[in-house]
Amino acid sequence: GQNIDQPTEMTATEGAIVQINCTYQTSGFNGLFWYQQHAGEAPTFLSYNVLDGLEEKGRFSSFLSRSKGYSYLLLKELQMKDSASYLCAASDSNYQLIWGAGTKLIIKP
Amino acid sequence: GAVVSQHPSRVICKSGTSVKIECRSLDFQATTMFWYRQFPKQSLMLMATSNEGSKATYEQGVEKDKFLINHASLTLSTLTVTSAHPEDSSFYICSAKGGEGDTEAFFGQGTRLTVV
Repeated sequence: GQNIDQPTEMTATEGAIVQINCTYQTSGFNGLFWYQQHAGEAPTFLSYNVLDGLEEKGRFSSFLSRSKGYSYLLLKELQMKDSASYLCAASDSNYQLIWGAGTKLIIKP
Repeated sequence: GAVVSQHPSRVICKSGTSVKIECRSLDFQATTMFWYRQFPKQSLMLMATSNEGSKATYEQGVEKDKFLINHASLTLSTLTVTSAHPEDSSFYICSAKGGEGDTEAFFGQGTRLTVV
């Protein structure tokens, strides 16, 4: 079956670094997405990886290992506004997105 | 990035009535649109996928007669919740994708439906 696993909740301190992991199992693979979702709002796109390696975009970076079915989202210099849920989604052979349940990130001062 | 507009953002309706939610791609042609619902503290659940000009493909367990989806043009898809009940209260989100080569789907703002 198809499955995405990510931690339910994480806590980090303002100014610190946090890594949110995601493992996936899909029928075929056409890339891995990370989205940020604030409570009551729609998700917003953060990153897309289809090749192995690290993609850096400002304070956010995303890593993919296709052989391990593993990705992580790295957030640096955490700010209070980064408190949100972070959704991992894998695109399968039909380009359908398989969604994880999301990781709620709590930032403390 | 591309813009997807979803309307209304919030709606309260009486039990038994129908509610229509619109999803528009403003600056690109959306060959495929996705409709999701999301319950509090849960992830997105895909309800259906619609391609312009053809019938929507519904996920298992989603009643096609209750959740009517129309994708009549390349810029507009609508979801109508018919005979709404309180258990249909949820956050409904659409996303739209361009052609086959497009990897990213862009999300609308979401619609908070409350059925009283």
